[in-house]
Amino acid sequence: EVQLMESGGGLVQPGGSLRLSCAASGFTFSNFGMGWVRQAPGKGLEWISFVSRSMRTIKYADSVKGRFTISRDNARNSLYLQMNSLRGDDTAVYYCARDAEWELPHYLDYWGQGTLVTVSS
Amino acid sequence: DIVMTQSPDSLAVSLGERATIDCKSSQSVLHSSNNKNYLAWYQRKPGQPPKLLIYWASTRESGVPDRFSGSGSGTDFTLTISSLQADDVAVYYCQQYYSVPPTFGGGTKVEI
Repeated sequence: EVQLMESGGGLVQPGGSLRLSCAASGFTFSNFGMGWVRQAPGKGLEWISFVSRSMRTIKYADSVKGRFTISRDNARNSLYLQMNSLRGDDTAVYYCARDAEWELPHYLDYWGQGTLVTVSS
Repeated sequence: DIVMTQSPDSLAVSLGERATIDCKSSQSVLHSSNNKNYLAWYQRKPGQPPKLLIYWASTRESGVPDRFSGSGSGTDFTLTISSLQADDVAVYYCQQYYSVPPTFGGGTKVEI
């Protein structure tokens, strides 16, 4: 059974940093691209980042480019999102998701339960 | 970025009746190289993460009931629930993956 478990969310002050992790199990992690999607309170879904299976291809939404860094450790079956210079509009539930493709972002066939990030003073 | 516009924002359907959700993209998501529409549909129930229902505009994900179907091409797409069940109460999203960044529609809330 495919499982994705996010961790690392919490309350952080504006301008602060946070690192999210996603532990994957139930599939061959190194065969799939992975992504992060967020949902702010009362808003829709926003794709924010993708990393290919080899990390050769990395993509970001303009809203997080230069502030967030996606990475993965295939030996540990883990996906990460380093978030710096956090702002109030980064407040959201962050989902880790498996991409159906390995090289470019496509549709997301499995999602974690999400972790809440709150940016507030 | 490709803008995805869903309609309606919400709809109420009686049990056993048909529900239809439309999704329009600001540019075509039909790739000429493979004649595939880069369009997916997701279901989001309260307290749960999104669940993939449909990809390539009309291919049902494994395990998804056949009352869910996707249609359309180019810029206009439809998700149809042929006979609404109580378990189908959720918010539905379309997503294009034709170009980066992938973008989602605003969501359609389906109620009984």
